[in-house]
Amino acid sequence: AQSVTQLDSQVPVFEEAPVELRCNYSSSVSVYLFWYVQYPNQGLQLLLKYLSGSTLVKGINGFEAEFNKSQTSFHLRKPSVHISDTAEYFCAVIQNTGNQFYFGTGTSLTVIP
Amino acid sequence: EADIYQTPRYLVIGTGKKITLECSQTMGHDKMYWYQQDPGMELHLIHYSYGVNSTEKGDLSSESTVSRIRTEHFPLTLESARPSHTSQYLCASSEYTSLWENSYNEQFFGPGTRLTVL
Repeated sequence: AQSVTQLDSQVPVFEEAPVELRCNYSSSVSVYLFWYVQYPNQGLQLLLKYLSGSTLVKGINGFEAEFNKSQTSFHLRKPSVHISDTAEYFCAVIQNTGNQFYFGTGTSLTVIP
Repeated sequence: EADIYQTPRYLVIGTGKKITLECSQTMGHDKMYWYQQDPGMELHLIHYSYGVNSTEKGDLSSESTVSRIRTEHFPLTLESARPSHTSQYLCASSEYTSLWENSYNEQFFGPGTRLTVL
């Protein structure tokens, strides 16, 4: 089975500062990687995904993530956060031969004015 | 507008009651999922479906059951609710190509049902 580790459960950051949310996964085979965002009282919404090709992927709302196969990581970054980025962020992985997504425990991002 | 809906959004119920959580999507997706989400924990897949008349159990064992009689509808039922069932339940859907091909299309999530069993 897969496992996904989000090392930081809570990340406070000041408005307009950069942020990085970390995600590591365990797998011996190729995987596809995703970041989802969950705003209060809402469902999860896809931010970005890595399927193949360039290891740097850009998503919505100015977020980007870099796939690092050797470190089995897929960290999410944004150069300048806004108050509206306050939400829960989930990393997810699926094996390229699998049929089930595995999610991390989530990182709560709080942007401080 | 294509979307995925869950009702009720919040439910407080007593032990032993039978409940059904509704999930409907208007995107024509074949694959649908139910996840259980607790604070500080990863989402756990409890059920999924490849299409009409298909239901499968996920990694997390659950006392709930599901049915898929129509493409757009994937209800989850608890025959006798217990306090241990208190959780948030998220429904999702995605496109699917075939049983033997990879399913890595984006999942679209509903807003969730927060269930409290007293």
